[in-house]
Amino acid sequence: KNQVEQSPQSLIILEGKNCTLQCNYTVSPFSNLRWYKQDTGRGPVSLTIMTFSENTKSNGRYTATLDADTKQSSLHITASQLSDSASYICVVSAQGFGNEKLTFGTGTRLTIIP
Amino acid sequence: NAGVTQTPKFRILKIGQSMTLQCTQDMNHNYMYWYRQDPGMGLKLIYYSVGAGITDKGEVPNGYNVSRSTTEDFPLRLELAAPSQTSVYFCASSQPVGEAFFGQGTRLTVV
Repeated sequence: KNQVEQSPQSLIILEGKNCTLQCNYTVSPFSNLRWYKQDTGRGPVSLTIMTFSENTKSNGRYTATLDADTKQSSLHITASQLSDSASYICVVSAQGFGNEKLTFGTGTRLTIIP
Repeated sequence: NAGVTQTPKFRILKIGQSMTLQCTQDMNHNYMYWYRQDPGMGLKLIYYSVGAGITDKGEVPNGYNVSRSTTEDFPLRLELAAPSQTSVYFCASSQPVGEAFFGQGTRLTVV
């Protein structure tokens, strides 16, 4: 069964600090992995999309890494800001399918405190 | 640039009532989706559509119906609301692969 597991479930850090969120997946065959940011009461917004051949991708202060061999990804946030407080969702797509076969993780709830 | 627009944002229904959640997108995407998000769970696909006139079931379709008469609109219908349908509903659109764009969600409570 395709699964995406994220850790930690929740994280609290001080403004200005860095943090790393983890994602492990069992989706096979793998096509691509996405990270979404979901603010409270809003829909998810895409941060990065990585295919099998990409092992790192950045979007401003967000850097995602992918190890397709170990089926792990991480999202690193640098110099956190209060606006980074949100849930971060890891989503994996299976090869041979479109977006109708996405597998969503349950998310990491990140809180930035001043 | 509106993107994906959902209405209403909030709704309380009594058991057995019916309602339609509206979704419209202005990006000319062929694919549209309805998800539900329950506390502590990942998003689950209810229904999707690959183009006008074509719909298909997702992972959790029971208790819901959809239609796709135009490229822009993809309404979700609840016929006999049940407490198990209390959730946050998200509509999304995309091309067949690549980035999916989500609406802001509809928070539905069935009492």
